[in-house]
Amino acid sequence: SQQGEEDPQALSIQEGENATMNCSYKTSINNLQWYRQNSGRGLVHLILIRSNEREKHSGRLRVTLDTSKKSSSLLITASRAADTASYFCARTDNFNKFYFGSGTKLNVKP
Amino acid sequence: DTGVSQDPRHKITKRGQNVTFRCDPISEHNRLYWYRQTLGQGPEFLTYFQNEAQLEKSRLLSDRFSAERPKGSFSTLEIQRTEQGDSAMYLCASSETGYETQYFGPGTRLLVL
Repeated sequence: SQQGEEDPQALSIQEGENATMNCSYKTSINNLQWYRQNSGRGLVHLILIRSNEREKHSGRLRVTLDTSKKSSSLLITASRAADTASYFCARTDNFNKFYFGSGTKLNVKP
Repeated sequence: DTGVSQDPRHKITKRGQNVTFRCDPISEHNRLYWYRQTLGQGPEFLTYFQNEAQLEKSRLLSDRFSAERPKGSFSTLEIQRTEQGDSAMYLCASSETGYETQYFGPGTRLLVL
C-alpha cells in the first residue's frame, strides 16, 4: 500500500503557467524527495528536502515541507511542454527505502 | 557514470513460465533496490541489498520471487511460475551508503499473457 498521497491526481495547464502539486504522508520522515517519471520510463530525481528544512529551490522548482501538517508541495514555475510527466513524492525511512505516493500526472499544453 | 541499466527493457511471457531480470547499478553504489510499479501507481518496494547481503524483503515478494546480488555488483530478480498479476514495471535503483538519493534504471516492463 502507498504511504503517501499526491494531490491532485491529474493536472492540466497551459505552457507558461505554474503547476503546484501536493504530497501528504502519515508517519515521521528523515527526508522527502520528489521524482519525475516520463511515460513508460524510470524515475528521475528532482529535489530532496530534509525534515529540518522548510523550503528548497532548484532552477524552476520550489519545494516546501510542513512537518506539522505532514505535507509537502512542489511548484514548477513557467512550465514547459517538456515538463509533462508524472511526479511522485517519496518518503524515506531509516533504511533509505522509499515509500511513494500514487503521483500527480501533469500535462502541459503547448 | 553510465547510470543504472536494466535488461531486458520489455518481456512478454506466458503464464507459468519463469523470467529473470538483470540490474547493473552505478559502479560505486553499494545499495541496490528493486521496486514494482503497476499502471497508475507509484513504485512499491520489493527488496534491498547492501553489497551482497539482502537486508529486507517486502511482503509483496512472494516465494515465487527471488533476488540475488552474488558479488555485490549486478543483481537479478527471478519470478517463477508467473501469473497475470505479475504484469508490471520492475524498477531497480542504487545509492551510496550515507546518501539518501536513489538513482533509478529505465525499468523492465513485464507482460504475462
